[in-house]
Amino acid sequence: EDKVVQSPLSLVVHEGDTVTLNCSYEVTNFRSLLWYKQEKKAPTFLFMLTSSGIEKKSGRLSSILDKKELSSILNITATQTGDSAIYLCAVRRSGSRLTFGEGTQLTVNP
Amino acid sequence: DTEVTQTPKHLVMGMTNKKSLKCEQHMGHRAMYWYKQKAKKPPELMFVYSYEKLSINESVPSRFSPECPNSSLLNLHLHALQPEDSALYLCASSQDGGVGNQPQHFGDGTRLSIL
Repeated sequence: EDKVVQSPLSLVVHEGDTVTLNCSYEVTNFRSLLWYKQEKKAPTFLFMLTSSGIEKKSGRLSSILDKKELSSILNITATQTGDSAIYLCAVRRSGSRLTFGEGTQLTVNP
Repeated sequence: DTEVTQTPKHLVMGMTNKKSLKCEQHMGHRAMYWYKQKAKKPPELMFVYSYEKLSINESVPSRFSPECPNSSLLNLHLHALQPEDSALYLCASSQDGGVGNQPQHFGDGTRLSIL
């Protein structure tokens, strides 16, 4: 059975801090790992990492895939209160199914 | 706002009612998905339509009935739901027809409450 584990489950930081969120997975026929940000409504797509694209960056957010360790990290630098959300990691194997982790609840205090 | 549009945003219904959730995308995506999300839990896949054909049904009870009238629209027909079906129902779409490796993009969801 596919398994995706995120840590920590909850994190509280102050504005300006740098945070690292973790995602580890056990999936047969791995194809890609995706990061989403969910505030009150829709999960918003952040990054997709594959064997041919193991590092992505967008502004203050960056993500790396470690295929050897079967894990990924999501880094957020200079955090802002608007970064407060649940960050979901999902892994896709062959086919269309995404297996989601439980998410990390990030709270950024002013 | 996302490019996947779901209506209604909120729905309250009794256990004997029949209602439908609607989802629309105009990005030319060829796969569409229904997910159920309970509070403080990740989304759980319910159905996948690939090129307008049902390709995955994750053993969802028959009181949930999906329909894909065309490549832009996805419906979820609800009948005789139970209180435990109260949840956020998310629609998603992806460009690849569900067989490639493109990200899924989500709508804002319909928050459903069963009385």
